Amino acid sequence: DAMVIQNPRYQVTQFGKPVTLSCSQTLNHNVMYWYQQKSSQAPKLLFHYYDKDFNNEADTPDNFQSRRPNTSFCFLDIRSPGLGDAAMYLCATSRAKDQETQYFGPGTRLLVL
Amino acid sequence: AQSVSQHNHHVILSEAASLELGCNYSYGGTVNLFWYVQYPGQHLQLLLKYFSGDPLVKGIKGFEAEFIKSKFSFNLRKPSVQWSDTAEYFCAVNAHTGRRALTFGSGTRLQVQP
Repeated sequence: DAMVIQNPRYQVTQFGKPVTLSCSQTLNHNVMYWYQQKSSQAPKLLFHYYDKDFNNEADTPDNFQSRRPNTSFCFLDIRSPGLGDAAMYLCATSRAKDQETQYFGPGTRLLVL
Repeated sequence: AQSVSQHNHHVILSEAASLELGCNYSYGGTVNLFWYVQYPGQHLQLLLKYFSGDPLVKGIKGFEAEFIKSKFSFNLRKPSVQWSDTAEYFCAVNAHTGRRALTFGSGTRLQVQP
């Protein structure tokens, strides 16, 4: 059974056109994370939610925003995608922040034309 | 700030060969250590983890890793690889205190030839 679900798996958008990626989880975990992974690079944390508490990484561009309307869902909004934002976007969850395993979704591959 | 280095970017082995993938981290405090695996077309999955206790940890599919604190290392090993182990392997670390975000290494692509 899928535990962390990401939709869509592939997303094509135009330069500057806002796009939203979605993530849902069936684990009832408190923490949800968004990572960006570019080709042949390590996943890079963009931000995370601990319950409703939003935590932004210092080097995450303002172009990236997130919403978590409830425990199960979390969204990544890219307000004005640039060519450099083409990447795989990974959603992950963990029960709590400390000493907890993160469970990953399959990712959404974003292509910016 | 913590960082993770995986020095082997691409490893090619024949079936039944032994595997050791290097992972070194930089952080002065206590850490949690993880190895994740990503099979072709699949999502990242936890292979094994170290939080405390016995520095030799065993994971799924016959993998193990040893935490050597003095060397800041957490190398992954498997005595005999199979074709199905072909995947990308990521080492990751987070700190016990302060910034607890997971920091990943750049990954090692393992190709096992039948």
